[in-house]
Amino acid sequence: GAVVSQHPSWVICKSGTSVKIECRSLDFQATTMFWYRQFPKQSLMLMATSNEGSKATYEQGVEKDKFLINHASLTLSTLTVTSAHPEDSSFYICSTSHRVGETDTQYFGPGTRLTVL
Amino acid sequence: QKEVEQNSGPLSVPEGAIASLNCTYSDRGSQSFFWYRQYSGKSPELIMSIYSNGDKEDGRFTAQLNKASQYVSLLIRDSQPSDSATYLCAVSRRRDDKIIFGKGTRLHILP
Repeated sequence: GAVVSQHPSWVICKSGTSVKIECRSLDFQATTMFWYRQFPKQSLMLMATSNEGSKATYEQGVEKDKFLINHASLTLSTLTVTSAHPEDSSFYICSTSHRVGETDTQYFGPGTRLTVL
Repeated sequence: QKEVEQNSGPLSVPEGAIASLNCTYSDRGSQSFFWYRQYSGKSPELIMSIYSNGDKEDGRFTAQLNKASQYVSLLIRDSQPSDSATYLCAVSRRRDDKIIFGKGTRLHILP
C-alpha cells in the first residue's frame, strides 16, 4: 500500500501553545488528504478534508480557526492546533486517497499522539 | 440512524476458528466499502476493499457485500492471536470522497 508519514509521532505541550503536525505522502502525489481525530476507545472522526492549493473543507462542529490546515504541496499537508487545551489531547491521524485503476483507497499515516498539559 | 453500524463487541473466537464481523450502512449511494484493522495505539491498516456485490477473498480474509441489504461482512479464517484487534468498517459515496467509519468491533482470539 501507499506510504504516508506523520511528524511528530507524539508531542506533549503546555496549555495555550500551538502544535503543528505534518503529514507527508511519500510515494505518490496527493491532491486530497484527510485529517481525523480519535479519542480513546472511540472511532475515527473526520475533522477536515485538505485540498492542495485551496481551502480545507471542515466537518460540522470542527473549528476552522482552531485547527488550521495547510496543503501547500502535493505531498505535504499540515494541521496546526492553535492555543491547545487539555480537551484537544487526542490521536490525530492523516490519510491520503490513492487511485489505482478505477478504485480509490485511503491509506493512513501512523498518527500523532497529542497530550496537552 | 447511524451511518455505519457495527457491534462493538468484544467478539471472542477460539484460535483456528472463523471470525465473522458484520457491518450495516444507511446510505444507499455508497459505492466503496473497506475493512480496516486497528491495533491499540496504532493507526488503521487497510485489510480489504470491496466495490461490487458478492465475495472477495484475500488470503485468510473474505469480504462480502450485499448492496440490496446494505450489509458488509468480513470473515477471517484460521483465526490467529495476532488477529486480535479492532476492526473498522468504512464506506464512501464516491471517489476522493470522505470515508465514514463505524465505531469498530473488538475481536479477541482466544489461544
